[in-house]
Amino acid sequence: SYELTQPPSVSVSPGQTATITCSGDKLGDKFTCWYQHKPGQSPVLVIYEDTKRPSGIPERFSASHSGNTATLTISGAQALDEADYFCHAWDSGMVVFGGGTKLTVL
Amino acid sequence: DVQVVQSGAEVKKPGATVKISCEFSGDTFTDYYIHWVQRAPGKGLEWVGRIDLEDGYTKYAEKFQDRVTMTADSSLETAYLELSSLRPEDTAVYYCAAGTTDLLGIPSDFWGEGTLVTVSS
Repeated sequence: SYELTQPPSVSVSPGQTATITCSGDKLGDKFTCWYQHKPGQSPVLVIYEDTKRPSGIPERFSASHSGNTATLTISGAQALDEADYFCHAWDSGMVVFGGGTKLTVL
Repeated sequence: DVQVVQSGAEVKKPGATVKISCEFSGDTFTDYYIHWVQRAPGKGLEWVGRIDLEDGYTKYAEKFQDRVTMTADSSLETAYLELSSLRPEDTAVYYCAAGTTDLLGIPSDFWGEGTLVTVSS
């Protein structure tokens, strides 16, 4: 089955740039999305179709996609950005999530 | 606006079956797919599967294939997730998400608030 690999954790100080990667076989051939998930809340889509930001998502969230790696960047991370982040792609008609990255901002 | 409202928390014993619901409103029911996603404690998001509300066609993740059944009742505009032979590791919050495509990950997906299923003896 298809797998997406993320670092388990990333830690930054407030105002710094947080970078979260997601890698997978032939990921360059697929669209990647990113979800933010906070405890007690539903997942929130922060990036879709590799680099697009949904309405209402702050501009500090951006993403890129090169080769078999997708990258989520949070510029000027804030305490409220502390959450689990999951990349997501589609493979053979199935939805696949990465293992998730816990972002700590302190 | 589309809304999906999920049923309340469930507590089940190992080996039992649970059936949770996702009530849809705000648009044409049969234009949508319902996806189910699991978040177990200390684990990541995991796609369970989806159902096409137009024709009831389902696609399940391999991990759940043998134990999951997704159905829908168009008269009630409600989708259901049934998970059988429950084990403690099925303890999780299960989210439903309504989308107009068979693949999650577009801004017009609408997520429910989640249903906690606890499996404990």
